[in-house]
Amino acid sequence: AQSVTQLGSHVSVSEGALVLLRCNYSSSVPPYLFWYVQYPNQGLQLLLKYTTGATLVKGINGFEAEFKKSETSFHLTKPSAHMSDAAEYFCAVSARGGGKLIFGQGTELSVKP
Amino acid sequence: DAGVTQSPTHLIKTRGQQVTLRCSPKSGHDTVSWYQQALGQGPQFIFQYYEEEERQRGNFPDRFSGHQFPNYSSELNVNALLLGDSALYLCASSFIVVAGDQETQYFGPGTRLLVL
Repeated sequence: AQSVTQLGSHVSVSEGALVLLRCNYSSSVPPYLFWYVQYPNQGLQLLLKYTTGATLVKGINGFEAEFKKSETSFHLTKPSAHMSDAAEYFCAVSARGGGKLIFGQGTELSVKP
Repeated sequence: DAGVTQSPTHLIKTRGQQVTLRCSPKSGHDTVSWYQQALGQGPQFIFQYYEEEERQRGNFPDRFSGHQFPNYSSELNVNALLLGDSALYLCASSFIVVAGDQETQYFGPGTRLLVL
């Protein structure tokens, strides 16, 4: 069975600092991997996804993530945090070909001025 | 191009009642998935509809049922509501590419259900 673990339910960074949100997955075969962001009282917005090909994936708003099969990880990074990045971030996995998404518990990102 | 829309935005019900939530998929999408997001948790998959049939189902009781219409819109029905059904219900749409392969799911804003 597939599962996702997000390390750290809350991460706080200063504006301009590096953002690193950690995600590890469990799957018998390499899955599809996603990062979604959720702003207060809103639905989920896709940041980026990995299906096949290049393991470093670039997404919207300056975010990127790297698929590391040997570490079963898909950590999300952004070189310089902005106040508008404050939100809840979810890592998700699906079987290859799509289908149901299995989400992690989420990481709340706070950005201090 | 309208994205995924859901109605109503908020709903208050009493234990034991029944509720129907509605979802219109993004233009061009033919598949609708429903998720339940309890407060402080990640979304949990309820089920997915394609060609008016339930394609996949998560670990939810039969009190949760759905329907997909010929125009690809969908309804989520929950019977005999429990306090624990209070959550944000998210609809996501996508489309089947070929041979069951599915494109990315795009989410609507959700319906917040409170059961008293």
